[in-house]
Amino acid sequence: KNEVEQSPQNLTAQEGEFITINCSYSVGISALHWLQQHPGGGIVSLFMLSSGKKKHGRLIATINIQEKHSSLHITASHPRDSAVYICAVIGDDKIIFGKGTRLHILP
Amino acid sequence: DTEVTQTPKHLVMGMTNKKSLKCEQHMGHRAMYWYKQKAKKPPELMFVYSYEKLSINESVPSRFSPECPNSSLLNLHLHALQPEDSALYLCASSQIERLQQYFGPGTRLTVL
Repeated sequence: KNEVEQSPQNLTAQEGEFITINCSYSVGISALHWLQQHPGGGIVSLFMLSSGKKKHGRLIATINIQEKHSSLHITASHPRDSAVYICAVIGDDKIIFGKGTRLHILP
Repeated sequence: DTEVTQTPKHLVMGMTNKKSLKCEQHMGHRAMYWYKQKAKKPPELMFVYSYEKLSINESVPSRFSPECPNSSLLNLHLHALQPEDSALYLCASSQIERLQQYFGPGTRLTVL
């Protein structure tokens, strides 16, 4: 079993839909990253959180440390949100990446 | 300046070539990272430098040789690579280890 599991692996939705991507982990962590990677390859760090909830524009990230679970939500999704979203957890001495969720928003 | 820059964007090299990848940041970050990413896979950590000293080497073959000449620069020297080393090489930096990382655009490397 992978130490970081993301779901779904792939997600196609219509423009305007509310999107949720989930990340579960099995190791102790100090913080969790949500990253966005567009087809060109560059990675953008969206959030780093260790408790509670953070919001930036249409993006919201939550984490429940007790349940070892985090979610990334996108409100009013847009085709430009199409990308791979990667969850990465920061443990004692390493960073562990999930396999990513490939999101495709149709116009 | 909140950017991590990487050069070159693309690199094609033969198995006998010697080349270098460069990464630069001017955010005053003291931790810098090299990652390798194959298509449709998550990034894999290769090296971490903390305060210009090698902190983590994830059992990377010696044909990859990192160098951190100063706090703003990180190089990855390549020699005698194999075709399976073809990948996207990403650099990242953070204020110190284990804080939020900022990624560069990557260098897409092809080994012939």
